Amino acid sequence: EVQLVASGGGLVQPARSLTLSCAASGFTFDDFAMHWVRQAPGRRLQWVSGISWNSGVIGYADSVKGRFTISRDNAKNSLYLQMNSVRAEDTALYYCVRDRGAVLYFYGMDVWGQGTTVTVSS
Amino acid sequence: EIVLTQSPDTLSLSPGERATLSCRASRSISSSYLAWYQQKPGQAPRLLIYGASSRTTGIPDRFSGSGSGTDFTLTISKLEPEDFAVYYCQQYGSSYTFGQGTKLEIK
Repeated sequence: EVQLVASGGGLVQPARSLTLSCAASGFTFDDFAMHWVRQAPGRRLQWVSGISWNSGVIGYADSVKGRFTISRDNAKNSLYLQMNSVRAEDTALYYCVRDRGAVLYFYGMDVWGQGTTVTVSS
Repeated sequence: EIVLTQSPDTLSLSPGERATLSCRASRSISSSYLAWYQQKPGQAPRLLIYGASSRTTGIPDRFSGSGSGTDFTLTISKLEPEDFAVYYCQQYGSSYTFGQGTKLEIK
């Protein structure tokens, strides 16, 4: 069974840092690109960042560019999101999502984990 | 950025009826890179349709997708009780963006 288990969320103060992790199982992790997608209360889903199978291509939403860093460790079947200089508007449920293919911008997303909640507040 | 606008915001129908959900893009989506997801309360979104019209594995054939360019449609031919949920469209041809969602509720 394909599983994506995100962790690392919590309450963080504005301007501080937080790192999200996603543990993947049930499939060959390095065959697929991966993404982080967030959903703030009452707002539409928003793509945050994506990374190709070999980390060769990385993309970010404009709203997080320069503040967030996506990475992956294929040996550990894990995806990460380093969140720096967080803002109140980063408050959301963060989903770890598998792409349908190995590269970005062609195949779309298929499997979604349950997500981890990030709350930015003083 | 390609903006996706879904209509209606809420659709009230009864089990057994046909549902038609619309997704309009602010500019043409290349190669029909359009997907549809279903989300139930407290759950993650589930992929239904990709490439505008291809059903993913395990999705019943009462779900169908159509359209190209800027206008896309998700049709549920005969609603089952478990189909009442929120539906999102997503484009993945130019970065990734989502529609605001259509809530399909029981009438």
